Amino acid sequence: EAAVTQSPRNKVTVTGGNVTLSCRQTNSHNYMYWYRQDTGHGLRLIHYSYGAGNLQIGDVPDGYKATRTTQEDFFLLLELASPSQTSLYFCASSDRDREYEQYFGPGTRLTVL
Amino acid sequence: QQKVQQSPESLTVSEGAMASLNCTFSDRSSDNFRWYRQHSGKGLEVLVSIFSDGEKEEGSFTAHLNRASLHVFLHIREPQPSDSALYLCAVGYNQGKLIFGQGTKLSIKP
Repeated sequence: EAAVTQSPRNKVTVTGGNVTLSCRQTNSHNYMYWYRQDTGHGLRLIHYSYGAGNLQIGDVPDGYKATRTTQEDFFLLLELASPSQTSLYFCASSDRDREYEQYFGPGTRLTVL
Repeated sequence: QQKVQQSPESLTVSEGAMASLNCTFSDRSSDNFRWYRQHSGKGLEVLVSIFSDGEKEEGSFTAHLNRASLHVFLHIREPQPSDSALYLCAVGYNQGKLIFGQGTKLSIKP
C-alpha cells in the first residue's frame, strides 16, 4: 500500500503569515494532489501535479502556490495566509495508469488567526 | 464540470439495520466512482470502487451504480457502532481528478 506522509500535522499561524505544508510519498507514484476539506464542502482540489516540475491548477487555487520538487515531494505554499484558509488539508498520490486510485495522507490541520 | 451531491446530510440507524447512502452526479460520462470513509480526525479509507452499472460488493459494503439515473448508492450491511463516520462519495473525471460530495455523517446506535 502507498505511504503518504504530511508535515506538520497541526499548524497555527496569524493572518498574513507564511506557511508551507509538506507531503511525501514513497511508492513512486507520478500524480500528487493537494485538497482542502471544509464542513459542507467535502474535499476540494487545490493543485495537482503529473510529475516533478509539473503543476496543474485545481478547482480552488486562489491564495495557494504549489511546487513539486521531486517525484516524492509536493509542497503547498500559503504566502499571505488568511482566516478563510483555516481548513484540514490532505495530500494524495496515485499511479499514472490508475489515476483515480488515490492514496491519502493523514491530513494537516491549519488554523489562521 | 461534474457536480456531486450526497444525501442525507446525516443519518442515524440502529446497530444491525441496513444503512443506505445516496450520491447524485451530473455528468454520466464518468466511469470511476468511489466511496470513502473518514472517522473523526482521521484520513480517508477507500471502501469500494465501481466502474460500470450494477453492483460491487466489498465485505459489508455494496455500491450500486445507475448512470442513467445519475445515482450511485452505498449500502452497509449490519453496521456496527465502529462504522459511525463521515462517508464521502467521489467521482472521477478529466485525467485523474476526483470530485467529492459534501459527505453523509452516519451514526450507528447500539
